Amino acid sequence: NAGVTQTPKFRILKIGQSMTLQCTQDMNHNYMYWYRQDPGMGLKLIYYSVGAGITDKGEVPNGYNVSRSTTEDFPLRLELAAPSQTSVYFCASSPSGGELFFGEGSRLTVL
Amino acid sequence: GENVEQHPSTLSVQEGDSAVIKCTYSDSASNYFPWYKQELGKRPQLIIDIRSNVGEKKDQRIAVTLNKTAKHFSLHITETQPEDSAVYFCAASKVKGGKLIFGQGTELSVKP
Repeated sequence: NAGVTQTPKFRILKIGQSMTLQCTQDMNHNYMYWYRQDPGMGLKLIYYSVGAGITDKGEVPNGYNVSRSTTEDFPLRLELAAPSQTSVYFCASSPSGGELFFGEGSRLTVL
Repeated sequence: GENVEQHPSTLSVQEGDSAVIKCTYSDSASNYFPWYKQELGKRPQLIIDIRSNVGEKKDQRIAVTLNKTAKHFSLHITETQPEDSAVYFCAASKVKGGKLIFGQGTELSVKP
């Protein structure tokens, strides 16, 4: 099993550009999450999903969108990138809301 | 919504000493409380968790205690070792609720 795979690992964006962070898991987990982690800070929940077709906002959803058309994939869309979105983004999955299995993270810089 | 406060933000101990990290939560409906360890440049990994029907749980040198009445829970690490140096995060959610909220993190440094 590959676990949770995130792409890209690194990306530099210009202000106003858009991009999608990809996340896929091969563990057949129902729950998936997107967190952001600013330098020296904690993990802030952006969006989460408890199953295909179901998504819900977390603590910091503004400026982001998600979709969950399959159990495996949970892409995170950034529209009109801003410097405040410079962060490390972690995708995670869980079988039923218990232990989270994190991806390696995607480091995004907006200049 | 749920809010999780974690203290202290940094903690420095001598090797062999104990370390205690404390968290409080706001939503009385929360009933799942995990702790994650994140080494520098790595992804967070679960080290122990507790559910609200249990007051204490131990796993070798690590223990977690929960006080539902006061809405706080703590991580205890005994006989600390340099490899325990990392950032530790507490979190809270409802079991199967999905919305897992993390505390701000504690940077633990164990000096040899």
